[in-house]
Amino acid sequence: SQTIHQWPATLVQPVGSPLSLECTVEGTSNPNLYWYRQAAGRGLQLLFYSVGIGQISSEVPQNLSASRPQDRQFILSSKKLLLSDSGFYLCAWSTRGDRGQVWRKSNTIYFGEGSWLTVV
Amino acid sequence: DAKTTQPTSMDCAEGRAANLPCNHSTISGNEYVYWYRQIHSQGPQYIIHGLKNNETNEMASLIITEDRKSSTLILPHATLRDTAVYYCIVRVVGNYGQNFVFGPGTRLSVLP
Repeated sequence: SQTIHQWPATLVQPVGSPLSLECTVEGTSNPNLYWYRQAAGRGLQLLFYSVGIGQISSEVPQNLSASRPQDRQFILSSKKLLLSDSGFYLCAWSTRGDRGQVWRKSNTIYFGEGSWLTVV
Repeated sequence: DAKTTQPTSMDCAEGRAANLPCNHSTISGNEYVYWYRQIHSQGPQYIIHGLKNNETNEMASLIITEDRKSSTLILPHATLRDTAVYYCIVRVVGNYGQNFVFGPGTRLSVLP
């Protein structure tokens, strides 16, 4: 079965410090990968998605970046954190469609356990 | 984007069925209805999804009206561990499913 791992679970970082959150998926190949952020009491906001190694698309301009160095590894980074970067970060994956489609409308997204980031 | 409307909160007695409604009157013919839940401080958990027909799995049942403008998620025997925020989603925007839009959801409280 497929599993998704995300770490660290909690993180307290000072303003201006770097960030690295890592996510790996097991039990599947060539997944679509996603990073979401959830502010307190809010819905999920898509930050980045990737359909393949080295292929990253950004949904929201910000001081965060993402990388996909391996098929099942997705990393969220920042060179200098802001107070507004605090929140709950979620990695997610989905299967791809048939015949080369990157998505089918019946596909399901599965989420990791999340990482709580507090910037102080 | 199709929008969903869910009650803000609901209570349910432990052991009873929990019926969570969702309105999605602007749903398109080929859009699926998804349900997720999120327990505090955890990632959303997939529950079930469907297109037209009613669906059942080990977690829940999904009842979709014939006109597909609304649906109901049924937890047949709610337990205290089912206390969570439940999200109904009917729209995936874009070619890559990147905008799985989570609204505020329904906060279900299962009471002993």
